[in-house]
Amino acid sequence: AQKVTQAQTEISVVEKEDVTLDCVYETRDTTYYLFWYKQPPSGELVFLIRRNSFDEQNEISGRYSWNFQKSTSSFNFTITASQVVDSAVYFCALSEYKALNSGNTPLVFGKGTRLSVIA
Amino acid sequence: EPEVTQTPSHQVTQMGQEVILRCVPISNHLYFYWYRQILGQKVEFLVSFYNNEISEKSEIFDDQFSVERPDGSNFTLKIRSTKLEDSAMYFCASSVTSDRGTNEKLFFGSGTQLSVL
Repeated sequence: AQKVTQAQTEISVVEKEDVTLDCVYETRDTTYYLFWYKQPPSGELVFLIRRNSFDEQNEISGRYSWNFQKSTSSFNFTITASQVVDSAVYFCALSEYKALNSGNTPLVFGKGTRLSVIA
Repeated sequence: EPEVTQTPSHQVTQMGQEVILRCVPISNHLYFYWYRQILGQKVEFLVSFYNNEISEKSEIFDDQFSVERPDGSNFTLKIRSTKLEDSAMYFCASSVTSDRGTNEKLFFGSGTQLSVL
């Protein structure tokens, strides 16, 4: 069975600090996808990144970066120089590969990490 | 950027009543989903829908739930006889198909907060 663990329930940082959100996953599949979503106070789920299991290259997008370590089944997310607008709940999610044109398999979400950035 | 639209944003109902939650997915998307989030808990998959039929559903999606795409634009979730434990935020999502069979990103709506009294 698939499982996503986000051990940090809540994190508070002061603005401009760097912060890393941890994500550890379990799956028996050799091909799978990992995602991060942001849920701001307004409630919607905002896509941040998708990574497939064959691509272990780390990614940077502005102040955001992701560290995918297949050997430790982790997909951690770092925000550099955090800002108040980064305050949100962040969800890591996993889905297995599915055959051609079969659509997405269900996302399995972690419980989320609530990040509070204090001015 | 195109959006998934959900109405209403809040729905209050009495236990035992039927509710219909409505969604307008992004127009060129072919796969549709419902997820829910009980307050303070993780987001959980309910059902996926493609080509006018359910392609996958979770254990949560029992006989009290149904989905429909009544026309070319709407995608609805019906709960026939609501229970207290159905109170949650319900998210609709859609995604494109992919020739490569990859799991494309899901575009989520802003959710409908359902409160069953």
